[in-house]
Amino acid sequence: NAGVTQTPKFRILKIGQSMTLQCTQDMNHNYMYWYRQDPGMGLKLIYYSVGAGITDKGEVPNGYNVSRSTTEDFPLRLELAAPSQTSVYFCASSYSGTGNSPLHFGNGTRLTVT
Amino acid sequence: GNSVTQMEGPVTLSEEAFLTINCTYTATGYPSLFWYVQYPGEGLQLLLKATKADDKGSNKGFEATYRKETTSFHLEKGSVQVSDSAVYFCALMPQGGSEKLVFGKGTKLTVNP
Repeated sequence: NAGVTQTPKFRILKIGQSMTLQCTQDMNHNYMYWYRQDPGMGLKLIYYSVGAGITDKGEVPNGYNVSRSTTEDFPLRLELAAPSQTSVYFCASSYSGTGNSPLHFGNGTRLTVT
Repeated sequence: GNSVTQMEGPVTLSEEAFLTINCTYTATGYPSLFWYVQYPGEGLQLLLKATKADDKGSNKGFEATYRKETTSFHLEKGSVQVSDSAVYFCALMPQGGSEKLVFGKGTKLTVNP
């Protein structure tokens, strides 16, 4: 079982560059999420999706874009990278958005913007 | 709004010590409550959960009881091991589901042999 797979594991960007963080899940989950984790700050929700073709903003969406063309994939796009986007990014999925459906997380992408 | 407050870390214990990590929440109604654990270099994984008041979640020797009267969900383990060293996150899902899990800031636990 692959679960939630994120690529790349690490990336260094220069200010102003762009990149796409890839996320794919093989559990046929409807709900997918992108979080960022900053030291001592817990996890902040960037964007989420309740199904293919549907996306919505989370708590900290500025500077990011997402798309959900298939159930399996939920890429996160960074345009014009800034040092404030240095963080660890986690993708997650769940069967439903209720308390009975826990989130399954990928292993994260560590991004540094210099 | 909904929020989760958990005790500040880091927490350092010796093997076989008793562990408590405090977690309190603010939410209307009856949210679902979770503890997630993050081992070094990995993503978060569900440790235990409780979906209604007075429920006790348990897994791998860890326990937490959903206390509506004190809006708390404290994590406990009677005898920690070195392998329990990780970051622990308390989280809530608002009643009725909202697609948005709210996390606490995390508590880093180090267990020394």
